Parts: sequence; structure tokens; C-alpha cells
Amino acid sequence: EPEVTQTPSHQVTQMGQEVILRCVPISNHLYFYWYRQILGQKVEFLVSFYNNEISEKSEIFDDQFSVERPDGSNFTLKIRSTKLEDSAMYFCASSEPQRGTDTQYFGPGTRLTVL
Amino acid sequence: QKEVEQDPGPLSVPEGAIVSLNCTYSNSAFQYFMWYRQYSRKGPELLMYTYSSGNKEDGRFTAQVDKSSKYISLFIRDSQPSDSATYLCAMSNSGGSNYKLTFGKGTLLTVNP
Repeated sequence: EPEVTQTPSHQVTQMGQEVILRCVPISNHLYFYWYRQILGQKVEFLVSFYNNEISEKSEIFDDQFSVERPDGSNFTLKIRSTKLEDSAMYFCASSEPQRGTDTQYFGPGTRLTVL
Repeated sequence: QKEVEQDPGPLSVPEGAIVSLNCTYSNSAFQYFMWYRQYSRKGPELLMYTYSSGNKEDGRFTAQVDKSSKYISLFIRDSQPSDSATYLCAMSNSGGSNYKLTFGKGTLLTVNP
């Protein structure tokens, strides 16, 4: 069964450093998303991406964040200057909305630890 | 009022019990309702998907949506120890080219052998 994959599974970085989290969505999916989950809190939407541009972003997704689909298979989230409060699980998701459906399939996540 | 509210539990039941999980919401624009299962330190796994009001059954799982009450439920029949996980409700608006999901906080379920 096709699945969303994410690398790395765990990333440790120093505050102020740039990180890039990578995702390979399901191959025939057209919509891509990033969510994050701070330990003990709910899963929160960050950004949605379609047709090579951002469709919607949350207030969390400020100028320190960017997304890119550099080729036909990868989807990346970049955090330019990490803060301690960026420590969280980051989940990539993808979907192929058809009429009446919009199910999103999630990857296993990247645990980001900012020291 | 929070957009989606879900009792975090924890909920502990014996094997074979019927489990009822619930969420309430305030945004009447929500049209799509989902239940995800999340094991510790893993990604959410889609369990059930429902559009608008009504019931949907899949094996031991039944999802119910009551839009008039802004209330959704997930029932698990003949619960198994392997059902032990956190269950997340999620919702989204209809229309447009984005379908951002708004999640509840999740209910931690333990099924004891």
C-alpha cells in the first residue's frame, strides 16, 4: 500500500540553525500539507500546497518557514532560524481530493529537537 | 469556545468492551469528519471518513455525525488490546482547494487483556 515517507526520523539542531525536513508524498497525490504536534498538544495545521504554490497557511507559518517541491517527488519544509519552541513532531500529509472526498494520509513524522 | 473539543481521557476498558469516543465542534462550516488513530510517537493513521451527517460502518468501527448537535462519535465493538492508542477526531470545511484539518486533542484509549 502506498505511504507517505519522511526523513529524517529525528533531527537535533542548535537554536538559530536552519533545518530542512523532507517528505515523499504518495505518488498520485496532488495536495500536500505540513502539520506539527508539540508534545502533549493537538496536531496543528501549518500549510497546504497545491500546484506549486501555498494554498493556505496558519499564523504559526511565519517568515521563518518555507515549503518547496523541488522535484516531482519530494516536498520539503525549511525552518530558517530555529527557536526552542519549534521543537515538535512535524508531519507531512498528502491527499488527492476528488469530488466529495479529501482524505489526508500522514507520514510517520520527523521529531525536531532544538537545543 | 474551542473549535474542536475532545475529552483527552485516559479511557481504560476490558477486552471485548464497546468503546465510545466523542468530539464536539463549534464551526458549522465543517462538512468532512475523520477519525485517526495514533500510536505513541507515530503519525496519525486514517480510520474513518464521513461526509456530512449520518453513520458509516467499517468492520468493528462505526462513525456517527450529528451536524445539528455539532457532535461526532466513534464506536469500537469487541475492543482488542491492539486498539490501544490515541484516537483523534479531525474536521475540515467543504469547498476550495485546501482542506486543512482541525484536530481534537485526542483520547488515549487502553484496552486491557
